Order: sequence, then C-alpha cells, then structure tokens
Amino acid sequence: QKEVEQNSGPLSVPEGAIASLNCTYSDRGSQSFFWYRQYSGKSPELIMFIYSNGDKEDGRFTAQLNKASQYVSLLIRDSQPSDSATYLCAVESPGGGNKLTFGTGTQLKVEL
Amino acid sequence: DADVTQTPRNRITKTGKRIMLECSQTKGHDRMYWYRQDPGLGLRLIYYSFDVKDINKGEISDGYSVSRQAQAKFSLSLESAIPNQTALYFCATSEKGEDGYTFGSGTRLTVV
Repeated sequence: QKEVEQNSGPLSVPEGAIASLNCTYSDRGSQSFFWYRQYSGKSPELIMFIYSNGDKEDGRFTAQLNKASQYVSLLIRDSQPSDSATYLCAVESPGGGNKLTFGTGTQLKVEL
Repeated sequence: DADVTQTPRNRITKTGKRIMLECSQTKGHDRMYWYRQDPGLGLRLIYYSFDVKDINKGEISDGYSVSRQAQAKFSLSLESAIPNQTALYFCATSEKGEDGYTFGSGTRLTVV
C-alpha cells in the first residue's frame, strides 16, 4: 500500500464547475498536509496547508481534512482553464522535520 | 533571482559518467531536500539535510551521494550514471511549519 494515494486522472471538469481532488494516506500519525499545483515541466507550488480536521478556505480553494478516515481533499470552485495542472497531495512524516511524502498527483483538465 | 536555484537546467550524460547537480538558496532555510520525479511515480525523496552537519538518506538514495557545502548549498552527485536515473530532479528548502517547501526549477537529466 502506498503511503499517499491519489487517483491519477485525468479529471475533466467544465469551466465554472467545482473540481474535487482526493487523497488518502496510510500513517495515522501524520499531522500536516499540503496541496501543491504543478504545471507541466514546472516545479510544484504550494496552494494549501491544513493540519486541523475540517475545512480551510483560501479564495477559490478549500482543503478538507478527516484524520479519522485518513483522507484529505481539495475543492476548486469556479474552475478556470488556468487551473489545468497536476495537483500533488503531500503528507508530513509523523516525526516532523518537514519531511514530506508526495502522492503521484491527479491531473486536472478544465474544459471550455 | 530565484530563491532556490538549480544548475544545470538540462543535462545529457553518458552511462558511467559522474555528474553533479547543484542547488543554492537565498531563503536562509536550514532544511534542504533532493527529490526525483518520474512519470507515474511522483516525487521521491533521495536525500535531505537539516543543517550542514546533518545529512540523511531518503527512500531512494542508492546510486546517489550529497554534499552540504554551506547552509545555502546542497549538491547531488551520481557517481556512475545509469539510464534509469533519467528523471526530473528537484531541490527544495523549508522551515518548520505551514510554509511547506520552496522548490527550485528542476534539472532534467537524461542518461544515455
């Protein structure tokens, strides 16, 4: 079982719709969770951080965390073509030290 | 100038050659990381360093070595390159907490 799992996609949504990206993790002791966006051939960029159960909103992005279910998700409202990218879920190792384990990413395509 | 600079950006080398990838940062972060990214496998940790005197192996360190020459510099070496080391390599830095990683632009390495 992979430590951090994501559906590779592609996930296709029409412009203006809500895109829902999901991630599960195996280590119940994990405390901090990140979502990165990566455009093709570019480096990942941080878009969300969450560590408490529940929702965290930042603009059009909402991260949701459920530690009991070991599940973290990212919602993108009013999806735009510029949101088309690969979204990486990352989980900090329980020992801390900012050592992150990444999922393989979900490719999102926002269609006109 | 970029906060995290990787050189070279692209490199083609022959099997058996020694090659060094360099990373320098102006963030003032103590923690630095080397990851490689392969299609379908995501980002995998090669080595990480929490300060100049603290260097640790990641999940895929075989065939690689690193040197932390200063707080700002962290180099990755392939002692004898092989074709399955063809990948996109990223250097990253971090501090503790919610800021996550700052990634360099990546080095695309091809071993022929």
